[in-house]
Amino acid sequence: EDQVTQSPEALRLQEGESSSLNCSYTVSGLRGLFWYRQDPGKGPEFLFTLYSAGEEKEKERLKATLTKKESFLHITAPKPEDSATYLCAFLDRGSTLGRLYFGRGTQLTVWP
Amino acid sequence: NAGVTQTPKFQVLKTGQSMTLQCAQDMNHEYMSWYRQDPGMGLRLIHYSVGAGITDQGEVPNGYNVSRSTTEDFPLRLLSAAPSQTSVYFCASSYSFIAGNYTFGSGTRLTVV
Repeated sequence: EDQVTQSPEALRLQEGESSSLNCSYTVSGLRGLFWYRQDPGKGPEFLFTLYSAGEEKEKERLKATLTKKESFLHITAPKPEDSATYLCAFLDRGSTLGRLYFGRGTQLTVWP
Repeated sequence: NAGVTQTPKFQVLKTGQSMTLQCAQDMNHEYMSWYRQDPGMGLRLIHYSVGAGITDQGEVPNGYNVSRSTTEDFPLRLLSAAPSQTSVYFCASSYSFIAGNYTFGSGTRLTVV
């Protein structure tokens, strides 16, 4: 069965302390891997799409990478405003109608 | 642009009552989805649509109905509310399911007592 697992469940970083979030997936054929950010009381906000192993995407202090079995969201010199829950999701190549499967998320807290 | 608008933001229902959660988007997106989010469970797909008149079931469709008569609107109907349907519901839309860049609404927090 296709599934996605995110780790750690929660992460506390001091401002400026870089780290990485992990998203591992088991899927018969990956069509796309997606990262979202969710702030408390709000809907998820799209960050990145990755399609193939070796691909990387960057946005400000965030960089997403993809291998054949997992994706990482690297956070460089984080700031308190980066505090949020980060979700990854995948689209199965066998899915022709856009069924995204989400992980449970990593709750990131960045303190000053 | 308003994006994806969900109403109401909060709702309390009694067991057995029915109601409709509204979702509207003004981006002319073909793909729309309904998710529920529960603590420790993540986002789970309820129903989705790939265009007006076309809908299909997701992971947890039982107890919910949808229809898509226009591109803009994708309402979610709870037929007979149960306490297990207490959750936060999100509607999302996208121009391309391959791109994966869904725009989410701000959610409806539903409590069934």
